[in-house]
Amino acid sequence: AQSVSQHNHHVILSEAASLELGCNYSYGGTVNLFWYVQYPGQHLQLLLKYFSGDPLVKGIKGFEAEFIKSKFSFNLRKPSVQWSDTAEYFCAVNEGNAGNMLTFGGGTRLMVKP
Amino acid sequence: DVKVTQSSRYLVKRTGEKVFLECVQDMDHENMFWYRQDPGLGLRLIYFSYDVKMKEKGDIPEGYSVSREKKERFSLILESASTNQTSMYLCASSFSGVLGETQYFGPGTRLLVL
Repeated sequence: AQSVSQHNHHVILSEAASLELGCNYSYGGTVNLFWYVQYPGQHLQLLLKYFSGDPLVKGIKGFEAEFIKSKFSFNLRKPSVQWSDTAEYFCAVNEGNAGNMLTFGGGTRLMVKP
Repeated sequence: DVKVTQSSRYLVKRTGEKVFLECVQDMDHENMFWYRQDPGLGLRLIYFSYDVKMKEKGDIPEGYSVSREKKERFSLILESASTNQTSMYLCASSFSGVLGETQYFGPGTRLLVL
């Protein structure tokens, strides 16, 4: 079965620091990749997604992620975080033959200190 | 704007009670999903439905059942609630057809089983 690993469970940064959250998955075939974000008290919402083409994907609020097929990775990055980025971030993977089902990682809780 | 609503934000039930969690989406999505969210485990799929009266087991279906009598509504049923079912329950919906369609999430129901 597919598994998704997010190595950092809790990250604390100061404003303006750079962010990179790791995500690795186990499936060796075609995948679609997602990052979702859950701000305090809000719904889970899509941050960005990768289906095909350019492996560097840009999302909302200045976030980007890079798909590296050889490393089974889809790391999330932001060059300069803001206090408003405090949230929980989830990586998710859809196997190419699994319809619309997603497998989620365990989540990373990011706290940005003002 | 997609809207996914869940019938309750908070529920407190006793062990052995039958519990109904309701989810409604207003975007005519074919697919609907039920997840539970636990700290450190991310989101785990309980059941999903790709059409009215159709359902498929997810990763952790034991102790749960579902019902989809109308396209917009997907219910999760705990036949006999147990304390290990205390969790946050999230409903989601998506279009089907294209692999890896974005899932839209409801606000969640936090269930406490005493």
